Amino acid sequence: DIQMTQSPSSLSASVGDRVTITCRTSQSISNYLNWYQHKPGKAPKLLIYASSDLQSGVPSRFRGSGSGTDFSLTISSLQPDDFATYYCQQSYSGPATFGQGTKVEVK
Amino acid sequence: EVQLVESGGDLVKPGGSLRLSCAASGFTFSNAWMSWVRQAPGKGLEWVGRIKSKTDGGTTDYAAHVKGRFTLSRDDSKNMLYLQMNSLKTEDTAVYYCTTDVGGDWLEHWGQGTLVTVSS
Repeated sequence: DIQMTQSPSSLSASVGDRVTITCRTSQSISNYLNWYQHKPGKAPKLLIYASSDLQSGVPSRFRGSGSGTDFSLTISSLQPDDFATYYCQQSYSGPATFGQGTKVEVK
Repeated sequence: EVQLVESGGDLVKPGGSLRLSCAASGFTFSNAWMSWVRQAPGKGLEWVGRIKSKTDGGTTDYAAHVKGRFTLSRDDSKNMLYLQMNSLKTEDTAVYYCTTDVGGDWLEHWGQGTLVTVSS
């Protein structure tokens, strides 16, 4: 199975900060990388698919980039609604696998 | 509006069985691939399995940790997805989410989840 390594596992930030989360895969996955936002007690939400395509209805402050084995999710200006846990997920081969998550907390 | 509503979560003893259901609306269910994803307490998301649309063969794929114990099925006449879970283990304790699966590439819409607790 393809292994996913997300970093950091958590971060503290303030409203208005630029935040970047990285995801590295154990083998090249082209652009088969997706990002999800998850809040406690809520349904996870697709933010970015195919590495850089913004899901309909997702604010443009979310940006995904990367290909091969290195990917990133950037929130250009953190908003109060963005405090959550973020997961990357690969769909290139084998079972879908997720990163361990990055919890974005209030500084 | 797409809606996915899971049900059937419960407390069950190790070795027991449980069937989860997912009621789908707001899209053409018969054309959709569907997946289950779970989240154990304090852990991250973990893919469980997928069922393709009947037009794409209706085949199923499973994660290694549930293969042979869990079975996905669907009833397109009722817009329902099911997850039959047998030989349950304590490590199967999790919130189980039903999702739409876009061609095996990304998980677009998610339900709110249903809690399964496996404990003696």
